[in-house]
Amino acid sequence: GNSVTQMEGPVTLSEEAFLTINCTYTATGYPSLFWYVQYPGEGLQLLLKATKADDKGSNKGFEATYRKETTSFHLEKGSVQVSDSAVYFCALMGNTGGFKTIFGAGTRLFVKA
Amino acid sequence: DTAVSQTPKYLVTQMGNDKSIKCEQNLGHDTMYWYKQDSKKFLKIMFSYNNKELIINETVPNRFSPKSPDKAHLNLHINSLELGDSAVYFCASSTSPGQGASSYNSPLHFGNGTRLTVT
Repeated sequence: GNSVTQMEGPVTLSEEAFLTINCTYTATGYPSLFWYVQYPGEGLQLLLKATKADDKGSNKGFEATYRKETTSFHLEKGSVQVSDSAVYFCALMGNTGGFKTIFGAGTRLFVKA
Repeated sequence: DTAVSQTPKYLVTQMGNDKSIKCEQNLGHDTMYWYKQDSKKFLKIMFSYNNKELIINETVPNRFSPKSPDKAHLNLHINSLELGDSAVYFCASSTSPGQGASSYNSPLHFGNGTRLTVT
């Protein structure tokens, strides 16, 4: 079945550091890929998405490129802020199995001032 | 206006009790979901309804019963609560997956969660 694997956290960075959170997936067919962010005490919010190979999703300085050859969708940001501290989830929605969205385990990011 | 709202935000109850969580969305979506998030933040889908019909029913104990009176509401009733049911339960909604050219890129819109504590 479909699955998503993302790097374990927590990840601790200083403000203005470069961020990478790795995400790889296993899926049949051509899934859509997503990054969601969860701030403390809140639900998940869509951060960005990509629907086909080589698509780049971007939002709020975050980027991720859909790499079919490496089955990856790594999240990057050039300069993190304290306000980026949250839990980040990589996810996929496939075209099989009832179109379920499958989430990775989440990666907690702490950004220090 | 809140897009996906669920009540209550916190629910503390004793083992063996029966409780319900309500969810409403005003986004005009026709698909709604329940997810369970455990203490390690792992998210697992429980149920999904499309236009009031059950389309996803994961391996969830029979004590959990979803009900969708209309496509804007999806409630979750839990019978005979157990300690292991303690978690945060999230409601979500989306446009219909599986229809049209953009069929499976429908992002989910989440509520703020209901933290259930069973003592």
